[in-house]
Amino acid sequence: QQPVQSPQAVILREGEDAVINCSSSKALYSVHWYRQKHGEAPVFLMILLKGGEQKGHEKISASFNEKKQQSSLYLTASQLSYSGTYFCGTLTGGSQGNLIFGKGTKLSVKP
Amino acid sequence: DAGVIQSPRHEVTEMGQEVTLRCKPISGHDYLFWYRQTMMRGLELLIYFNNNVPIDDSGMPEDRFSAKMPNASFSTLKIQPSEPRDSAVYFCASKLPRGNTEAFFGQGTRLTVV
Repeated sequence: QQPVQSPQAVILREGEDAVINCSSSKALYSVHWYRQKHGEAPVFLMILLKGGEQKGHEKISASFNEKKQQSSLYLTASQLSYSGTYFCGTLTGGSQGNLIFGKGTKLSVKP
Repeated sequence: DAGVIQSPRHEVTEMGQEVTLRCKPISGHDYLFWYRQTMMRGLELLIYFNNNVPIDDSGMPEDRFSAKMPNASFSTLKIQPSEPRDSAVYFCASKLPRGNTEAFFGQGTRLTVV
């Protein structure tokens, strides 16, 4: 089951903050966040695991609410380089293989 | 390591032709994924392998699609016969089996079927 992301798109000015949400109808084992720039491959940002472990980017933070099966990505003091499409990917159960991605959130940061 | 390597980067083919996409995962990665990306559907998981064995191919759209992994360093995704609606970017990714590890994506193959 594909996770649902919101919003679908957001436009920011440099320095503004944004929150991207990801929710699943299934119990989550982990949530993976990626950013993709136009014409490029998705690049890893962060992993959040059930139980609180996190691994990822120094300047981007995220939360994982296991009970609500939701995750949020927080982009603070946005820079032009933050522009791109953000995807959340979810793993359910103990499987390491069924990494399913949402449809993405397109973030545009303007000067 | 050079990362996940896909070939070709671009492929233009005529409807009805066979298309083969290739992927070399990162050495030591037990998991290999094939994704298809379109504007409408985003990143769709087509199939994934664990230790060269196909585990879940429920995302493969039709029997025209097939994937193989003959060894730990090579996988193919084949479309036969190809149709215009198969036009998309196809990504291969690989991952270690541990829970706190990320998937690494190749640069993708942009397929255009005319």
